[in-house]
Amino acid sequence: QITLKESGPTLVKPTQTLTLTCTFSGFSLSTSGVGVGWIRQPPGKALEWLALIYWDDDKRYSPSLKSRLTITKDTSKNQVVLTMTNMDPVDTATYYCAHLKPGLYYFDYWGQGTLVTVSS
Amino acid sequence: DIQMTQSPSTLSASVGDRVTITCRASQSISSWLAWYQQKPGKAPKLLIYKASSLESGVPSRFSGSGSGTEFTLTISSLQPDDFATYYCQQYNSYTWTFGQGTKVEIK
Repeated sequence: QITLKESGPTLVKPTQTLTLTCTFSGFSLSTSGVGVGWIRQPPGKALEWLALIYWDDDKRYSPSLKSRLTITKDTSKNQVVLTMTNMDPVDTATYYCAHLKPGLYYFDYWGQGTLVTVSS
Repeated sequence: DIQMTQSPSTLSASVGDRVTITCRASQSISSWLAWYQQKPGKAPKLLIYKASSLESGVPSRFSGSGSGTEFTLTISSLQPDDFATYYCQQYNSYTWTFGQGTKVEIK
């Protein structure tokens, strides 16, 4: 059974760096083809893909946010970490991590999401 | 970047209705298109992948079709549990993009 759970601060100040951790179980990020992605959703708005890391440490980023994002993995801890620099109130959103369906490029298992508010 | 445009943005329908949602890509994405259902306060749920493949456990009243730039999600007979927001999502060249969503409301 695959599960994912996001953790991190619920409130960050403008200009600060956000660090979110996705802790997962039921699969290994050392297995060929496996990936974990981050997607966010501002309140009342659409989903936006942010970043993805593959089993072989290949990393992919949204072109519009690439300069602010870093994604890493700790295979031994079953964790994926996303950092986003220079946070702004427009970055207020629910942040989800999700398991990439191997070989098919879709997200078949999602975490419950964590709401991050950016405010001074 | 590939843009995904869904229509309509909101759809009012009754239980038992046949419902169709359209998603258009700004350039060809072959069949690399998925559909998700999201209910308030919940994470999205994968319904359809590769344009027309039904995810395991998803009711057969959901179906997807299309290729290239135009895709549709059809619910053959709308059920009370189906009132939700639906998103399409494309994959192309290591980038993923979601549509703006279609809210299916009770008429």
